[in-house]
Amino acid sequence: DAGVIQSPRHEVTEMGQEVTLRCKPISGHDYLFWYRQTMMRGLELLIYFNNNVPIDDSGMPEDRFSAKMPNASFSTLKIQPSEPRDSAVYFCASSPDGNYGYTFGSGTRLTVV
Amino acid sequence: RKEVEQDPGPFNVPEGATVAFNCTYSNSASQSFFWYRQDCRKEPKLLMSVYSSGNEDGRFTAQLNRASQYISLLIRDSKLSDSATYLCVVNKRQLTFGSGTQLTVLP
Repeated sequence: DAGVIQSPRHEVTEMGQEVTLRCKPISGHDYLFWYRQTMMRGLELLIYFNNNVPIDDSGMPEDRFSAKMPNASFSTLKIQPSEPRDSAVYFCASSPDGNYGYTFGSGTRLTVV
Repeated sequence: RKEVEQDPGPFNVPEGATVAFNCTYSNSASQSFFWYRQDCRKEPKLLMSVYSSGNEDGRFTAQLNRASQYISLLIRDSKLSDSATYLCVVNKRQLTFGSGTQLTVLP
């Protein structure tokens, strides 16, 4: 298995632009998670899906952030409009049951200038 | 108060040393517990699960005390390759991460 695949690996964008991050989970994993990591706040859960349905989005910072999972093999995290404080590493992870076996993607390093 | 608290370190130890990390968690309903390892600019990777009876994986020993809501990780005979950030993680429907403890093993 190729593991969790995220794209792009790096993204540099100007403030106000729309940013879309992509994730392909491991086949057969029913849970997908989006995390954000910064030096100040560490790893924070933004949202997670079970069987493509959003279960908990309480970690999404504000309305500028949205996430979708149109099918079992693809999810997106969109920021519109982006701001410099959104600069962070965004990780996607998947798990077969939500309890064990979390596998993280390599992350997307986002810089908003 | 953070849900999972760790000493951020850094811990700088010589090769061969034994080093211990501690962690406390606030949610008594947490169901499962883990230590993850994160190398610089990489994703977190599972190091080991933590069980109430204590468990060992080679040079690594993890302990859980549910009554005190305390988790520990012991690394014996540390190697240069053990240098990383160690993340304490608790699970109640989703993983909650501590801020990590940075370890550097010196030659």
